[in-house]
Amino acid sequence: AQSVTQPDIHITVSEGASLELRCNYSYGATPYLFWYVQSPGQGLQLLLKYFSGDTLVQGIKGFEAEFKRSQSSFNLRKPSVHWSDAAEYFCAVGSRTSGTYKYIFGTGTRLKVLA
Amino acid sequence: DTGVSQDPRHKITKRGQNVTFRCDPISEHNRLYWYRQTLGQGPEFLTYFQNEAQLEKSRLLSDRFSAERPKGSFSTLEIQRTEQGDSAMYLCASSRTGTEGNYGYTFGSGTRLTVV
Repeated sequence: AQSVTQPDIHITVSEGASLELRCNYSYGATPYLFWYVQSPGQGLQLLLKYFSGDTLVQGIKGFEAEFKRSQSSFNLRKPSVHWSDAAEYFCAVGSRTSGTYKYIFGTGTRLKVLA
Repeated sequence: DTGVSQDPRHKITKRGQNVTFRCDPISEHNRLYWYRQTLGQGPEFLTYFQNEAQLEKSRLLSDRFSAERPKGSFSTLEIQRTEQGDSAMYLCASSRTGTEGNYGYTFGSGTRLTVV
């Protein structure tokens, strides 16, 4: 069965430090992979996506992610974190079954940024 | 294009009452999805519409839940005889056929339901 694992529930970094959020997936075929960000009480905003081609993808707000098929991973990175990046981050895999395009989400990683 | 709109943003209801939420998708999007997000969890798929047809329902969607999209535009999600376990954020998302893998869904801001 398809699944997404985000092993880190909480991460705390200092402003200006680099960031890496981990995501591992289980999927039978080439996956469509996404990272979303959710601020408190808000919906989800798409940061970036991967579906084919270059395995290093760039997103909004200075984020990037690298697809590694051999490790079944799609980790999110940012070289220098800003206080406004504090939020919850969700990794998702797009699963197409019976014509329905569903997303399977991980449980999220809550990012805290220290001033 | 104002994005995906959900109404209300917050709803507090007493156990046993019925509630209805509304979602207005992006106008040119023919697909509409409902997800539920409980505290500390990622969103979970509830149901999916293509135009006015409800094509799939999750096992999470008990008989107390019903969703409609009568004219292929806005959608409503009704919960009858609410239970405390229904407390969650209900997220609506929309997309255009063939673009989900390329562009992802567009999510609304959600309706947070609290059952007391």
